[in-house]
Amino acid sequence: AIQLTQSPSSLSASVGDRVTITCRASQGISSDLAWYQQKPGRAPKLLIYDASNLDTGVPSRFSGSGSGTDFTLTISSLQPEDFASYYCQQFSSYPLFTFGPGTRVDI
Amino acid sequence: HVQLRESGPGLVKPSQTLSVTCTVSGASITSATHFWSWIRQTPGKGLEWIGYFYYSGTTFYNPSLKSRAAISVDTSKNQFSLNLTSVTAADTAVYYCLSPYCVAGSCYPYWGQGALVTVSS
Repeated sequence: AIQLTQSPSSLSASVGDRVTITCRASQGISSDLAWYQQKPGRAPKLLIYDASNLDTGVPSRFSGSGSGTDFTLTISSLQPEDFASYYCQQFSSYPLFTFGPGTRVDI
Repeated sequence: HVQLRESGPGLVKPSQTLSVTCTVSGASITSATHFWSWIRQTPGKGLEWIGYFYYSGTTFYNPSLKSRAAISVDTSKNQFSLNLTSVTAADTAVYYCLSPYCVAGSCYPYWGQGALVTVSS
């Protein structure tokens, strides 16, 4: 099964900072990757699908890039509501739609 | 627009069977473009994929659950369910239903809001 790793596992940032989170797959997954944001007590919220497609209603400060094994989620200017955990998920390797371990973004 | 809604007992005793159901609207449970899946998240931890049901009857489960999981479908109610046997406190989690809609090499994931299930006597 494909394994996903994320780095960093946590980071501290300030409002207005540019933040980049990396997701690496153990083998190539084309562009079959999604990014989620999760806040405590809430379900994961889809931000990006197919590696770079912004979901409807997601602010344009979020962007995704990459293909193959290396992917990034970028927040161009961190806002107070962006402090949360972020996860990647791959959809390339059936039958397991595995997740990355998550990145926590703190103030 | 696909919507998923979980329902479950809230509390299950150790060694019993945990059952949660996902009601689907906006898509047919017999669709060939969806993988009807279950995910869980234990307190303070990450997301674990449990398994899925595909319209052809194929099911697949995370090997870490050691054959305790079973996913079934009720086409008359457009629902799918998860049964997890011999539960312990380690199975306490929020259980989410997830349906990746996969067409022509692209997958768009639909999620439910989650159902908290606590395993305790």
